[in-house]
Amino acid sequence: AQSVSQHNHHVILSEAASLELGCNYSYGGTVNLFWYVQYPGQHLQLLLKYFSGDPLVKGIKGFEAEFIKSKFSFNLRKPSVQWSDTAEYFCAVNAGNTGKLIFGQGTTLQVKP
Amino acid sequence: NAGVTQTPKFRILKIGQSMTLQCTQDMNHNYMYWYRQDPGMGLKLIYYSVGAGITDKGEVPNGYNVSRSTTEDFPLRLELAAPSQTSVYFCASARSQTNTEAFFGQGTRLTVV
Repeated sequence: AQSVSQHNHHVILSEAASLELGCNYSYGGTVNLFWYVQYPGQHLQLLLKYFSGDPLVKGIKGFEAEFIKSKFSFNLRKPSVQWSDTAEYFCAVNAGNTGKLIFGQGTTLQVKP
Repeated sequence: NAGVTQTPKFRILKIGQSMTLQCTQDMNHNYMYWYRQDPGMGLKLIYYSVGAGITDKGEVPNGYNVSRSTTEDFPLRLELAAPSQTSVYFCASARSQTNTEAFFGQGTRLTVV
């Protein structure tokens, strides 16, 4: 069965620090990959997505992610975080184009001003 | 454009009671999902549907039922509420099998006492 693993459960950074959140999935075929963000008290919003093509995808608010097929990874990055990036971040995978969308456990990011 | 609408936003149930969480979308999406979100556990897929009349189990289907009689609606039924079903429930929809960018509702916070 497909699964998604996020390695960092809770990350604390100071403003202007660089961010990298890990995401690995277990499926050997075609995948659609996503990162979602959930601000306190709100529902999930899409940050970025990968369907095909350039493995380096750019999303909103300066976020980007790199799909490395050989490592089954889709890590999220941001060069310089802001206090407003404090939120929970979720990686998600649709494996084999089944439409079954599975989420990781989430990473809570706390940015100190 | 309303997107994905969930009702109610909050509900308190007594053990053994039943209820239906409503979800409707106006984007003509084929795929619809129900997730539950518990602290530190991320989003767990309860059920999903690939179109009217078709539903399938997700990761944690026990204690829940769904139906999909129309493209727009995807209600989630709890027959005998248990404290373990205390959670925040999110409904989501996606356009198709190969485009599973999910759009989320605002969530329903359910407490079973």
